[in-house]
Amino acid sequence: DQQVKQNSPSLSVQEGRISILNCDYTNSMFDYFLWYKKYPAEGPTFLISISSIKDKNEDGRFTVFLNKSAKHLSLHIVPSQPGDSAVYFCAASANTGNQFYFGTGTSLTVIP
Amino acid sequence: DSGVTQTPKHLITATGQRVTLRCSPRSGDLSVYWYQQSLDQGLQFLIQYYNGEERAKGNILERFSAQQFPDLHSELNLSSLELGDSALYFCASSLRTGGPEKLFFGSGTQLSVL
Repeated sequence: DQQVKQNSPSLSVQEGRISILNCDYTNSMFDYFLWYKKYPAEGPTFLISISSIKDKNEDGRFTVFLNKSAKHLSLHIVPSQPGDSAVYFCAASANTGNQFYFGTGTSLTVIP
Repeated sequence: DSGVTQTPKHLITATGQRVTLRCSPRSGDLSVYWYQQSLDQGLQFLIQYYNGEERAKGNILERFSAQQFPDLHSELNLSSLELGDSALYFCASSLRTGGPEKLFFGSGTQLSVL
């Protein structure tokens, strides 16, 4: 049972434009959400997180938006750069639990 | 560099065999997580240890087992290997037992079962 879903396996964006990666979840107990970035032959690296008490968190070019009523979050990258080309994983956890649930990832390609 | 070390980086073995994957967490981290990433799949949670004790279990097969040692390094043992066990196995660590905090991942062990 996939509790965290990333329905777009891939996304291509022109350099300088906005990249929007989406993630949906089913478990209403999730209260902490993270985005990870993964390059080939490397482990995932933490990018940005958001707690359920917020609806937006920003870090430089990266912004995560959380819509609790829709059980949806999105990652915005503005402006997109070729170095952003990677697989992006969305993850969620419940504060009372010990597991992080990951989505299947979205492969982002930023075209120069 | 995340500070999480996984060895070996690559492992090629045959069906029916047994292998051990090793993970050293970041200095000071007490919690270790194991994840499996198969082709076109997300990161599937296998098991978590905190300070030597099992804390959470996910989709881990009975043929798989893990442990965390007093020095906090962890090993994932995979036995009676099948072709479908071929995957990338990641270890991650964190200071505590769960959220809200981020996980730090190693670079993974690529297991190929032939």
